Amino acid sequence: DTGVSQDPRHKITKRGQNVTFRCDPISEHNRLYWYRQTLGQGPEFLTYFQNEAQLEKSRLLSDRFSAERPKGSFSTLEIQRTEQGDSAMYLCASSSRSSEISWSADTQYFGPGTRLTVL
Amino acid sequence: AQSVTQLDSQVPVFEEAPVELRCNYSSSVSVYLFWYVQYPNQGLQLLLKYLSGSTLVKGINGFEAEFNKSQTSFHLRKPSVHISDTAEYFCAVRSGGYNKLIFGAGTRLAVHP
Repeated sequence: DTGVSQDPRHKITKRGQNVTFRCDPISEHNRLYWYRQTLGQGPEFLTYFQNEAQLEKSRLLSDRFSAERPKGSFSTLEIQRTEQGDSAMYLCASSSRSSEISWSADTQYFGPGTRLTVL
Repeated sequence: AQSVTQLDSQVPVFEEAPVELRCNYSSSVSVYLFWYVQYPNQGLQLLLKYLSGSTLVKGINGFEAEFNKSQTSFHLRKPSVHISDTAEYFCAVRSGGYNKLIFGAGTRLAVHP
């Protein structure tokens, strides 16, 4: 069990450019989540997948953002036409159903994050 | 709607002193509560979680938290802190039937020698 990995760890880009981040969840975890964390704040939910299906999207996820999980394993988050307000840490988490109580009780394991700076 | 309030943005404390990080939540339904720790330039690591049963929950690194339903609180405590506990601590809530974690703004614990 190697944990959740994210690539790249840091990305600096110019306003207007497109960027793509990758997340590799813990193997056999069928749920994958994306969060965004800005300076001095807690993470905010963006979207989540169960296997390859994207089941929920936050209003924070504007039409410039798109996420995929094509084979139910790794996921990508793409931001088109980046803006300075997109500068943040993008966190990925994964989970599997370990509790009979409900899915809401499962533990989400977080990756190290990708720090995006838009100049 | 769910929300989490962490009452202290920063908590300075001397090494080997006890510490309490406060967390209050708002939810109209049953909740699951979590505390995560974030070290500089790293992701979040789960410290402990409350799902049901005993209201006193023990976690890793000597931390514990107490769920108080009447006060809608889930405060984190450690009887004796170490320099290595210096980090950002996040309280999070999740209600039954919902998928996302709702995080507080975080409390920065600074342990001084």
